[in-house]
Amino acid sequence: QVQLQESGPGLVKPSQTLSLTCTVSGGSISSDSFYWSWIRQPAGKGLEWIGHISTSGSTNYNPSLRSRVTISVDTSKKQFSLKLSSVTAADTAVYYCARDWGYIAGFDPWGQGTLVTVSS
Amino acid sequence: QSVLTQPPSASGTPGQRVTISCSGSSSNIGTNTVNWYQQLPGTAPKLLIYSNNQRPSGVPDRFSGSKSGTSASLAISGLQTEDEADYYCAAWDDSLNGWVFGGGTRLTVL
Repeated sequence: QVQLQESGPGLVKPSQTLSLTCTVSGGSISSDSFYWSWIRQPAGKGLEWIGHISTSGSTNYNPSLRSRVTISVDTSKKQFSLKLSSVTAADTAVYYCARDWGYIAGFDPWGQGTLVTVSS
Repeated sequence: QSVLTQPPSASGTPGQRVTISCSGSSSNIGTNTVNWYQQLPGTAPKLLIYSNNQRPSGVPDRFSGSKSGTSASLAISGLQTEDEADYYCAAWDDSLNGWVFGGGTRLTVL
């Protein structure tokens, strides 16, 4: 069954760019049936969708983050990535990647999540 | 402020039935289906209900979902202690062209 694993630095300095990668195992990354999403959760708070990408490269981003977010995919490595620029302490959160089945079926499965702290 | 509105907390005793509401608008719940996620303490969220009322394989039939107009509900019957978790609703929003979540409901089993 498909499993997802986030990886990347756990500490990022303010004003720098947060970069994370999600590796897909146990199944194909390429399909017209789903997208690949990034979602984050600040400590003690709710979930916030960041954006998603199809394996053809089509993206949608949360309007509140669009100016700072880039999501890309590398099908040969079975990976997709998140870049969030000009980070502040407000970007400190657990970041999850997930397979996105679209309108009908949502996010399944999810990665275990990785904590990214923005601090100098 | 979340786009979808959920009560921050809910509670029940073992064996009881509890419901959690999720209120949206015509651009999200009113047009698209609703999914529910369960987040046990210290773990990643898990898909609980999709397409308003469908259960993924492995989810007990104690969990059920419904939708009417611009609102949706998650019902848990025969409440068990292991159901103590945070529950989130989500839907695609056609105006924002993105996914929106509710603020989450913390369920306590007394």
